[in-house]
Amino acid sequence: EVQLVQSGAEMKKPGESLKISCKGSGYSFSTYWIGWVRQMPGKGLEWMGIIYPGDSDTKYSPSLQGQVTISADKSTTTAYLQWSSLRASDTAMYYCARGIPMIRGVFYFDYWGRGTLVTVSS
Amino acid sequence: QSVLTQPPSVSAAPGQKVTISCSGSSSNIGNNYVSWYQQLPGTAPKLLIYDNHKRPSGIPDRFSGSKSGTSATLGITGLQTGDEADYYCGTWDGSLSAGFWVFGGGTKLTVL
Repeated sequence: EVQLVQSGAEMKKPGESLKISCKGSGYSFSTYWIGWVRQMPGKGLEWMGIIYPGDSDTKYSPSLQGQVTISADKSTTTAYLQWSSLRASDTAMYYCARGIPMIRGVFYFDYWGRGTLVTVSS
Repeated sequence: QSVLTQPPSVSAAPGQKVTISCSGSSSNIGNNYVSWYQQLPGTAPKLLIYDNHKRPSGIPDRFSGSKSGTSATLGITGLQTGDEADYYCGTWDGSLSAGFWVFGGGTKLTVL
């Protein structure tokens, strides 16, 4: 059974760093993309980026490039999303999802994690 | 403002049919497959339709998808109160060298 298990909710202060995780199981972790999707309170889905664990190829949303870092560890079948300096506007639910690969990117996202709620407040 | 345009809301009575549109351009819908996602209140999104019109295992045939040119449509027949959710279209966009994924702004379905 394919599963994506995300780390627990986080409460942070502005300026702090954070790394959240998404552990994949039940499939070949290296041969599917892992994507990260942000959902701010009361808003829609916003794609942040994807990583292909097999070769660590990473693509970022043009609007979010430089604000976050996506990484993956094949040995632990875990993908990560990290911030070096959080802002209040980073408050959101963050989902990871498995992406079906095509030549240049992703066909679609078939399995989703339950989400990690990140709250940034002073 | 999303690259893919969806109506903010649609509504219909139980048992009726509803369609949700998703409009894009040649760099995204026009040259790539479209998928649709259902997000029930308080839950993670779920894949509903992929490759424009295919349904994953377990998705009832009340849900259908189609694509024409730079637009796609999600259809839901025999509406049930349990279908009340937000629906998002998504596809790959190749307008930049690296490419990127795009979601529509989402459509809230109300079953009256």
